[in-house]
Amino acid sequence: AQSVTQLDSQVPVFEEAPVELRCNYSSSVSVYLFWYVQYPNQGLQLLLKYLSGSTLVKGINGFEAEFNKSQTSFHLRKPSVHISDTAEYFCAVSALNDYKLSFGAGTTVTVRA
Amino acid sequence: EPEVTQTPSHQVTQMGQEVILRCVPISNHLYFYWYRQILGQKVEFLVSFYNNEISEKSEIFDDQFSVERPDGSNFTLKIRSTKLEDSAMYFCASSEGPSQGNTQYFGPGTRLLVL
Repeated sequence: AQSVTQLDSQVPVFEEAPVELRCNYSSSVSVYLFWYVQYPNQGLQLLLKYLSGSTLVKGINGFEAEFNKSQTSFHLRKPSVHISDTAEYFCAVSALNDYKLSFGAGTTVTVRA
Repeated sequence: EPEVTQTPSHQVTQMGQEVILRCVPISNHLYFYWYRQILGQKVEFLVSFYNNEISEKSEIFDDQFSVERPDGSNFTLKIRSTKLEDSAMYFCASSEGPSQGNTQYFGPGTRLLVL
């Protein structure tokens, strides 16, 4: 079975500052990794994914994440946040041979002016 | 851009009543899922569905739950006799399959409140 730990439940950040959201996973098999964002009163939107290849993946809205197999991490970063990035961010994992997603508890990002 | 849709957006029901949550997956997708998120908790997998049958289900998905693809476009989740603890946001998702790492696309959710 896979599990995901998001190390920060809340991240306050000022507008135009960088942000990093930490995600660690546990799995005995190879995995696919995903970040989803949930804006207030909306559903889950795919931000980016790691399937294979380059460990640095770029997603929508200027976000990127780096897969680190030795650290079993998949941290999400954005160099300069906007007010509109205020949302909850979820890291998720699935095994290559298993289609269900296992989610972390989520990180709430609040961007202040 | 194609998207997953869900109806209704909100549902209030009395304990013991049956509810049906509806989803229209992305049209060329072959795999369908239901997840739920109880307020303040993680998003949890309920069930996956492929080729007109359940491919995997979680411990949460007991005999009170069922899924169906009644036609070529809809995918439904039925809860036969709702309990207070079924109150949650229910998300439907769909994916093409293994070719894209089984990337799942989610609907906006149905917020179910059981009184």
